[in-house]
Amino acid sequence: GAGVSQSPSNKVTEKGKDVELRCDPISGHTALYWYRQSLGQGLEFLIYFQGNSAPDKSGLPSDRFSAERTGGSVSTLTIQRTQQEDSAVYLCASSLVPGVGYEQFFGPGTRLTVL
Amino acid sequence: RKEVEQDPGPFNVPEGATVAFNCTYSNSASQSFFWYRQDCRKEPKLLMSVYSSGNEDGRFTAQLNRASQYISLLIRDSKLSDSATYLCVVTPNTGGFKTIFGAGTRLFVKA
Repeated sequence: GAGVSQSPSNKVTEKGKDVELRCDPISGHTALYWYRQSLGQGLEFLIYFQGNSAPDKSGLPSDRFSAERTGGSVSTLTIQRTQQEDSAVYLCASSLVPGVGYEQFFGPGTRLTVL
Repeated sequence: RKEVEQDPGPFNVPEGATVAFNCTYSNSASQSFFWYRQDCRKEPKLLMSVYSSGNEDGRFTAQLNRASQYISLLIRDSKLSDSATYLCVVTPNTGGFKTIFGAGTRLFVKA
């Protein structure tokens, strides 16, 4: 069956431009998570969705970052006015439901490079 | 203090060795605990959940010590294919299901 997919796989952009990263979770998974992983670092939690709502946005680094999810499925992470420190791999994960003990399945990530 | 801390390693061990990783967490009310494995330039994948009573899956044993707020992962009879980064994962009790990943411990198993 299809896993979590993300697009684009790689994105190179110039400082100051806006970018949109897309995540397609596993069908039927109600929970969706976004993380950021800088080179050689661990995963940094950004936001999670339960259905279309985001109960916890505490990890978003600044107001340049926003995310939405529509139809309980696809999610988009938008970064406005990108900065060089935004360069990282952005990982999306989904789980059947949000909650204790549920495995998160990760997509392959989008590697973002801001020049 | 970081919410989840791990020894970054790297741990360099010969095939067949036993190796153990520890991970500490700061929120005493944390609810769930996992070990994920991440291969180089790949996405993380679940290795095993960690239960209060401890649990074993083949060569892998995970334990939770709530009193001292740490979890551990023991790998016996290491294989070359065990070379990866091992991520400790905790769901803190903050009223939601935010998930915190440790920075990971790198393991290299050598022939």
